[in-house]
Amino acid sequence: DAGVIQSPRHEVTEMGQEVTLRCKPISGHNSLFWYRQTMMRGLELLIYFNNNVPIDDSGMPEDRFSAKMPNASFSTLKIQPSEPRDSAVYFCASSLGTRVYNEQFFGPGTRLTVL
Amino acid sequence: AQSVTQPDIHITVSEGASLELRCNYSYGATPYLFWYVQSPGQGLQLLLKYFSGDTLVQGIKGFEAEFKRSQSSFNLRKPSVHWSDAAEYFCAVGASGGYNKLIFGAGTRLAVHP
Repeated sequence: DAGVIQSPRHEVTEMGQEVTLRCKPISGHNSLFWYRQTMMRGLELLIYFNNNVPIDDSGMPEDRFSAKMPNASFSTLKIQPSEPRDSAVYFCASSLGTRVYNEQFFGPGTRLTVL
Repeated sequence: AQSVTQPDIHITVSEGASLELRCNYSYGATPYLFWYVQSPGQGLQLLLKYFSGDTLVQGIKGFEAEFKRSQSSFNLRKPSVHWSDAAEYFCAVGASGGYNKLIFGAGTRLAVHP
């Protein structure tokens, strides 16, 4: 199993540009999570999908952020327009179910730098 | 609301020494507790978890953790640290919300001296 795949691994962009981060969950997993990790705020859950449907987006910081999951094997997190304070590592995770004992498997992350 | 506190931001130990990383949680009911490890440039990997039963749980890579309800703690331990254990360690608690939502602590960065 290839695990959770994220692309790109690193992204450097200029303020105001659109950024799209991509995630491929583990095959067969029906839950997908997007997290943001910063020094100031630690690891924060941005949005949670179950069976491709957004269930909890209370962590999405503002309207500049949007996430989609068009099918079970692909999700995107888009920032438009990007700002320097969006610089962070963004992780995608997936799990086989929604019970508390269903382990979340994390991807390697995308390090985003907004200049 | 649920929360997790990891009091130590950085810890340095010598290779071969024992290790204890502290974690305190706030949760009204029986907590579900986790420890994850993040190696440099990698995603998080689950080390161990506690749901119920025996309060001493064993995990991967020789780690163990002990749940102490009276102290609201779930400290991670390893009897002899290896240089490859240098990483960041996160404690997490399962949060209410109807799904496997996790609340993470701020993390403890472990450095290992040869």
